[in-house]
Amino acid sequence: DAKTTQPTSMDCAEGRAANLPCNHSTISGNEYVYWYRQIHSQGPQYIIHGLKNNETNEMASLIITEDRKSSTLILPHATLRDTAVYYCIVRGSMNSGGYQKVTFGIGTKLQVIP
Amino acid sequence: EAQVTQNPRYLITVTGKKLTVTCSQNMNHEYMSWYRQDPGLGLRQIYYSMNVEVTDKGDVPEGYKVSRKEKRNFPLILESPSPNQTSLYFCASKRDARATNEKLFFGSGTQLSVL
Repeated sequence: DAKTTQPTSMDCAEGRAANLPCNHSTISGNEYVYWYRQIHSQGPQYIIHGLKNNETNEMASLIITEDRKSSTLILPHATLRDTAVYYCIVRGSMNSGGYQKVTFGIGTKLQVIP
Repeated sequence: EAQVTQNPRYLITVTGKKLTVTCSQNMNHEYMSWYRQDPGLGLRQIYYSMNVEVTDKGDVPEGYKVSRKEKRNFPLILESPSPNQTSLYFCASKRDARATNEKLFFGSGTQLSVL
């Protein structure tokens, strides 16, 4: 399975851009990079995903390096409500039944500071 | 509203007393899954289901059972709960079980305490 490495924690000033890095050096060509976040003990919430190109939606932007070995999630104007644990996930290997494992690690705890 | 509904939100029980945590989705999703979350360990998959009557073990299936008799429901059963099953549990679903380009929808969680 492709593994991801994220910093354990980060701080960001309110109103500034939050840039959350993720390393996934063993990613294979057809695997997507997904980002989810978990606010307190709520269920994880999907943010964005991408394969090769940079992606943007109403929540965030995803920048994937050309070699696809790392990516950055960007929250353009962080608010206090963005304080959460952010998970970077790469789809794992497919088993004989066609299932692709999704592994959630520890993630990055983002603290947005007033 | 499209959602995954888990019940109960909180549950306190005693060792050995059988319990069921329910999970239901209203999106006609093929794929459903259960995770447990413990401090410092991230989310670990317990069981998953690719479709009705198709279930398989995840990473930590011991002590748990599941069933998928209907597409919308995927209950998690603890036949004889033990204190090491005290955890925060999440149910999740996805439209197409085999698609790599689809997101997971998560329920709001069940905090289980086994005394």
